Amino acid sequence: DSGVTQTPKHLITATGQRVTLRCSPRSGDLSVYWYQQSLDQGLQFLIQYYNGEERAKGNILERFSAQQFPDLHSELNLSSLELGDSALYFCASSVALTGPDSEAFFGQGTRLTVV
Amino acid sequence: AQSVSQHNHHVILSEAASLELGCNYSYGGTVNLFWYVQYPGQHLQLLLKYFSGDPLVKGIKGFEAEFIKSKFSFNLRKPSVQWSDTAEYFCAVTPNTGNQFYFGTGTSLTVIP
Repeated sequence: DSGVTQTPKHLITATGQRVTLRCSPRSGDLSVYWYQQSLDQGLQFLIQYYNGEERAKGNILERFSAQQFPDLHSELNLSSLELGDSALYFCASSVALTGPDSEAFFGQGTRLTVV
Repeated sequence: AQSVSQHNHHVILSEAASLELGCNYSYGGTVNLFWYVQYPGQHLQLLLKYFSGDPLVKGIKGFEAEFIKSKFSFNLRKPSVQWSDTAEYFCAVTPNTGNQFYFGTGTSLTVIP
């Protein structure tokens, strides 16, 4: 158990719908990362937050948005869902941005299936 | 743009064979380097990390990696693989600026008993 909690574990929804994925980082971790993992795209970085502020943005679609709340948990919102959004969404957290405490700890992921 | 390249996409080895997985990154500054493993159906777990000091780092389960700064490489090695090492292996880099966590595309390792 990495200490990073993601809910829900599985989600099945229809095209055009909107879902929210939740991530609780390890206690004390300030940085949260979101990744999308699909068979054909590998592990794609979506977005990073540090202590409530957006730190870096990757290949995140405009239909997707995220935020980190004052209690440091984070939510990833996916809207106008398409079949191609079906993937495993991972959240990771780290204490520091760099140095010996910068390793990222991953959650178990949320498997999203869009039908 | 920064990137991480893993040259081996699929590797198939027999048990007891030696393993070396290549990882190269493109970033001119100071970096922190990681290898993660993802067993089937599970989340990514840290195998080992390098942030400074001895360029040869040892991780869990007998894995080690060597950082060669001049080659921008951080190759993963294990002298004798086991069937239980069957998994996906990801190399990752974070620049010392602390922005992003760059992952390679992963190498799928299958170990045949």
